[in-house]
Amino acid sequence: AQKITQTQPGMFVQEKEAVTLDCTYDTSDQSYGLFWYKQPSSGEMIFLIYQGSYDEQNATEGRYSLNFQKARKSANLVISASQLGDSAMYFCAMREAGGGNKLTFGTGTQLKVEL
Amino acid sequence: NAGVTQTPKFRILKIGQSMTLQCTQDMNHNYMYWYRQDPGMGLKLIYYSVGAGITDKGEVPNGYNVSRSTTEDFPLRLELAAPSQTSVYFCASTPPLAGGHNEQFFGPGTRLTVL
Repeated sequence: AQKITQTQPGMFVQEKEAVTLDCTYDTSDQSYGLFWYKQPSSGEMIFLIYQGSYDEQNATEGRYSLNFQKARKSANLVISASQLGDSAMYFCAMREAGGGNKLTFGTGTQLKVEL
Repeated sequence: NAGVTQTPKFRILKIGQSMTLQCTQDMNHNYMYWYRQDPGMGLKLIYYSVGAGITDKGEVPNGYNVSRSTTEDFPLRLELAAPSQTSVYFCASTPPLAGGHNEQFFGPGTRLTVL
């Protein structure tokens, strides 16, 4: 079974609107971390936001927030006030307990921001 | 700090050739990783290392070898290149987990084509 599932291969959003990118995960660990990365067309991987499994508050970083619903095992990324520069591929990733701080990535969502 | 650097940026190999992808980080991070990203897919872990002299397999290690003789360097070796190894290769590093989010820092990637 996939550990990280991103069911939206592609999304469109109008500039200045908010958009939610979905991510569900599967783990039996109590301690884990969830990450979102952005990959623009230039190819680099840019860290956006992190949520720990024990964090009671949803994480926020500027225009990015993470809608963490632990019981549903979902960690959706919300981008507010979309900008043209937000057009990119977005990856959800999970770090489980155990050695190595290893990440498991989802297949990504391609976001296109339109005028 | 240069962060994580990778060389080369691009390479075309013939089937059966070998090559080494170089990765260096100047952040004194103990943990380093190699991922591959196939077109339209997420990243998959090839190998990782938690410190000099220690390496371990990830999800897709077949056809690759690594070594970690220093904290800074983590080269990835392809011995007998196959078309299935056509991919973009990312190196990443992170400090050991210390209760914080400890995101992985990625290099710019190496685009490898095997013909």
